[in-house]
Amino acid sequence: KAGVTQTPRYLIKTRGQQVTLSCSPISGHRSVSWYQQTPGQGLQFLFEYFSETQRNKGNFPGRFSGRQFSNSRSEMNVSTLELGDSALYLCASSRRTVMNTEAFFGQGTRLTVV
Amino acid sequence: SQKIEQNSEALNIQEGKTATLTCNYTNYSPAYLQWYRQDPGRGPVFLLLIRENEKEKRKERLKVTFDTTLKQSLFHITASQPADSATYLCALDVGRNTPLVFGKGTRLSVIA
Repeated sequence: KAGVTQTPRYLIKTRGQQVTLSCSPISGHRSVSWYQQTPGQGLQFLFEYFSETQRNKGNFPGRFSGRQFSNSRSEMNVSTLELGDSALYLCASSRRTVMNTEAFFGQGTRLTVV
Repeated sequence: SQKIEQNSEALNIQEGKTATLTCNYTNYSPAYLQWYRQDPGRGPVFLLLIRENEKEKRKERLKVTFDTTLKQSLFHITASQPADSATYLCALDVGRNTPLVFGKGTRLSVIA
C-alpha cells in the first residue's frame, strides 16, 4: 500500500511570493492534517480536512489556507511568504472519523523563504 | 494554559541500557496518548497508542505507561541500540473531532 506522498520535497521561495504544497493520502483515508515543524516550536497544527470540509484549524494567520478534493488529496497554500514561514511542512492522513487513530505522515516539504 | 512537555530535549544513553522518555501534560484530559519516532528529514512514524484506561502497553522492546493521575506517560526502550537514535514525540488525543497535540520531542542518542 502506497504511503502518504508530499510534493515537492524541497522548495525555495522569495519573500512575498505564494506557494502551494500537495499531499496525497493513503488510499481510503479521509482525514488529512497539515503541520508546520520548526526547531523551536516543534510540530504545530495548521488544519485538518475530512471529506472535503475543514474540520479543525490551528492558530495560524489567514495567509495559510488549504483544501481537500473529492479523492481526499489535499493542498495547502501560503500567500505573501515571510522569512518565518521557512519550515518543514508535514501532511498526515488517517482513517479517523471521530477519535484519533494512528497518523501516517509524509516525508514533508522543506520550504525555505529567502 | 494547556501544555505538553517532554522533559529532556536530548538524552544520551549507552547501548544496551534502557532509555526512559517522559511526557507530561497539564490542563488536558486525553482519551489516548500516542508515541511517534522521527528521523532527521523525515516525517514521524507511529509507534504505540495507549488508552486512558490502560496502564501499560508493550511492543517488542518498547513499553509505554500512562498515568492519568500524574498526567504523565513514560516511554521505555529496553536493550537500546544505536539504530534507536532518533527524536521521539508524544501526542495527545484530547477529544472528539480534535486534532492530535504534539510535544516538541526528545532527541535520543544511543552510544555504542
